[in-house]
Amino acid sequence: GAVVSQHPSWVICKSGTSVKIECRSLDFQATTMFWYRQFPKQSLMLMATSNEGSKATYEQGVEKDKFLINHASLTLSTLTVTSAHPEDSSFYICSARVRGRGDTEAFFGQGTRLTVV
Amino acid sequence: QKEVEQNSGPLSVPEGAIASLNCTYSDRGSQSFFWYRQYSGKSPELIMSIYSNGDKEDGRFTAQLNKASQYVSLLIRDSQPSDSATYLCAVKFTGTASKLTFGTGTRLQVTL
Repeated sequence: GAVVSQHPSWVICKSGTSVKIECRSLDFQATTMFWYRQFPKQSLMLMATSNEGSKATYEQGVEKDKFLINHASLTLSTLTVTSAHPEDSSFYICSARVRGRGDTEAFFGQGTRLTVV
Repeated sequence: QKEVEQNSGPLSVPEGAIASLNCTYSDRGSQSFFWYRQYSGKSPELIMSIYSNGDKEDGRFTAQLNKASQYVSLLIRDSQPSDSATYLCAVKFTGTASKLTFGTGTRLQVTL
């Protein structure tokens, strides 16, 4: 299957600082990448959809100025959590859809556990 | 509101038995359905995709889709302790481009 690499796998930051999470498709071109957030014992909640070279589409209730998404190339998307607060502590996961392959089959990165102290 | 419903469990089955996981969805026109497995603290991994009514088998896994009844299920034969995980059902609803909507997942416990 296609490989999606997410980095870092975990990060601890101080309240008020910003954190950048990278998502790379290693062996395929990803036209679309998705960013999810998962709180303990809850399901994945889609935050935004990013398409290479265009602005991300955010889900209702997700602050686009707080969660900055950049999809500069067909293999890299980044999520920056700006001015992080303890309530932003969560498991952030990206997924990528393989260009030209099937419908919506998507592959997930390893996830990033963010802890804001 | 487009929803995907799953029983949260835990579903407990003995080793070697068949585990049956069910999922219902709200949009009758949906065409794409996926089962993901998620171990604690890890990201989901794709197990099966199914697009047509009926059964689709892959090794010990069988996905079953019934669009008329709006449910999709996953059967795991010869369950192993390593199958213990949370199983997420995901649906691409009509008119939502490539987005998937996930259920809350069913936690499966395979006991020795």
